[in-house]
Amino acid sequence: GAGVSQSPSNKVTEKGKDVELRCDPISGHTALYWYRQSLGQGLEFLIYFQGNSAPDKSGLPSDRFSAERTGGSVSTLTIQRTQQEDSAVYLCASQLTSGDTYEQYFGPGTRLTVT
Amino acid sequence: DAKTTQPPSMDCAEGRAANLPCNHSTISGNEYVYWYRQIHSQGPQYIIHGLKNNETNEMASLIITEDRKSSTLILPHATLRDTAVYYCIVRPGSSNTGKLIFGQGTTLQVKP
Repeated sequence: GAGVSQSPSNKVTEKGKDVELRCDPISGHTALYWYRQSLGQGLEFLIYFQGNSAPDKSGLPSDRFSAERTGGSVSTLTIQRTQQEDSAVYLCASQLTSGDTYEQYFGPGTRLTVT
Repeated sequence: DAKTTQPPSMDCAEGRAANLPCNHSTISGNEYVYWYRQIHSQGPQYIIHGLKNNETNEMASLIITEDRKSSTLILPHATLRDTAVYYCIVRPGSSNTGKLIFGQGTTLQVKP
């Protein structure tokens, strides 16, 4: 079946511009996660959605970062006034939360480059 | 901060078992140990998880010490496609949802 998809796969933007990154989770997965992976920091958690609400936003690095999820499905991560340190691969994962399930399924990521 | 410690790199000969160690001495009684791996330029992939007992699936085996302070992931017959970064993760809390905190992982190089 279809896995987690993310778009765009690559994004190059100028410093100061806003960007939107999209995640389409696996159908029926109620939990959705955003992570980012940069050379200096490894893989770090950003935000977690359960349905449309976000019980854990603790990883968002600044108020320039926001995310929303609508209809319990697609999620968008928005970065305003991008900075060079925002350059990273942004990864989305989803998880089925009914029953005895523990596995997070990751998408291929969006590579963001801020010039 | 990650609650696990892993060696930064390991080599393994193709066809041999790869044994990847992980220390998690501060693990709480209700926390699970998870293993994920990340092949170059791909998103992480779930391998296995466990609480107290040893676990086995089609990909690997997980051996957890009786005191739960360490564990070993075993790939019984490593192939070149198993070359990846392997992450040992202790998931905070007792829930099956919530964030994963990744450490630096172990880069496993499988050699012909």
